Amino acid sequence: DARVTQTPRHKVTEMGQEVTMRCQPILGHNTVFWYRQTMMQGLELLAYFRNRAPLDDSGMPKDRFSAEMPDATLATLKIQPSEPRDSAVYFCASGLEGQVNNEAFFGQGTRLTVV
Amino acid sequence: AQTVTQSQPEMSVQEAETVTLSCTYDTSESDYYLFWYKQPPSRQMILVIRQEAYKQQNATENRFSVNFQKAAKSFSLKISDSQLGDAAMYFCAYRSYVFTGANSKLTFGKGITLSVRP
Repeated sequence: DARVTQTPRHKVTEMGQEVTMRCQPILGHNTVFWYRQTMMQGLELLAYFRNRAPLDDSGMPKDRFSAEMPDATLATLKIQPSEPRDSAVYFCASGLEGQVNNEAFFGQGTRLTVV
Repeated sequence: AQTVTQSQPEMSVQEAETVTLSCTYDTSESDYYLFWYKQPPSRQMILVIRQEAYKQQNATENRFSVNFQKAAKSFSLKISDSQLGDAAMYFCAYRSYVFTGANSKLTFGKGITLSVRP
């Protein structure tokens, strides 16, 4: 059953703490996306990777957010220090680049609450 | 840059009836994809239907169909015989034609919450 797996599903943390969200893309996919969903802004692209290299992270606040792919089976999104305005649902999606008919498959998201 | 607009924040439909969700977009590209995603309370983003811009025929998936008007840049979703399980948030999204590099990202509308009355 090929799917994108995100952990944790829910995270409550105090302001100032570091938060790490993890994503396991579908095996064989070479493109990974991080999206953030809030009531006000809807779904926004934070960053995306191709073959583990960051292609675009212009959607991320650079001072506190960082995204990496330590290997092909793991993508991470870190927030340090976290702030209440970071409360949102963070989605990871993966896809196979280069094929016209391809699409991105989404994980179930991590709901982050910063208090 | 492409933009996607869903101007209706909420809609309601009676079970078994038909509802149409609206979406407009703006792009300078001639070839692209348009999508409708469903997000139930579980948060999972589920692809409902996809339309290739170069195809004139409107896409259909069981009870779901689209009305794609390329010149008007309009892409509406029609749900026939609405079911209680259709209650969810629905997002319209745009993607460039080729899934590569900067073109592979999705641009989403703000979404519309659909409720189904029993």
